Amino acid sequence: GDSVTQMEGPVTLSEEAFLTINCTYTATGYPSLFWYVQYPGEGLQLLLKATKADDKGSNKGFEATYRKETTSFHLEKGSVQVSDSAVYFCALSDQGNTGKLIFGQGTTLQVKP
Amino acid sequence: DAMVIQNPRYQVTQFGKPVTLSCSQTLNHNVMYWYQQKSSQAPKLLFHYYDKDFNNEADTPDNFQSRRPNTSFCFLDIRSPGLGDAAMYLCATSSTGGVADTQYFGPGTRLTVL
Repeated sequence: GDSVTQMEGPVTLSEEAFLTINCTYTATGYPSLFWYVQYPGEGLQLLLKATKADDKGSNKGFEATYRKETTSFHLEKGSVQVSDSAVYFCALSDQGNTGKLIFGQGTTLQVKP
Repeated sequence: DAMVIQNPRYQVTQFGKPVTLSCSQTLNHNVMYWYQQKSSQAPKLLFHYYDKDFNNEADTPDNFQSRRPNTSFCFLDIRSPGLGDAAMYLCATSSTGGVADTQYFGPGTRLTVL
């Protein structure tokens, strides 16, 4: 079945450091890929998405490129801020599943001043 | 602002005592989802409604039920909560349920079972 694997956390960085969170997926069809962010005590917010191969999603300085050849959707940001501290979830939505999201296990990011 | 609202934000119940969680949306979306998120785990879909059509995930326990009386509201009923049902329950909506559609999440209800 479909699945998503994320790098394990927590990831601890200093402010202004470069961020990469790895995400790979397995899917039978042509999925759409998403990154959601969850701040402490809150629900999930869409960070960015890509709906076909080679698409790049971007938002708030975060980027991720849909790589079909490596089945990956790694999240990157050039310079993190303390306010980026949160849990990041990679997810996919596959055809025929009425939009059901399958999530990776989440990666906790801590950014220190 | 259009949004997804969940009430209450925190719910405490006793073992075996039925509980109902509420979700409402002002987005006028066709699809509403309920996810269960246990501590430090990924959200897991319990079921969803496409308009009035109910779709249960194969591994969702019978203890969990849902109602959608109209487009705006959806309820999650836990008939006899066990200690293992303590979790954050997330409601989400999407416009069409299409593969590229964005899901909009509410803030969640944290359920504690004593």
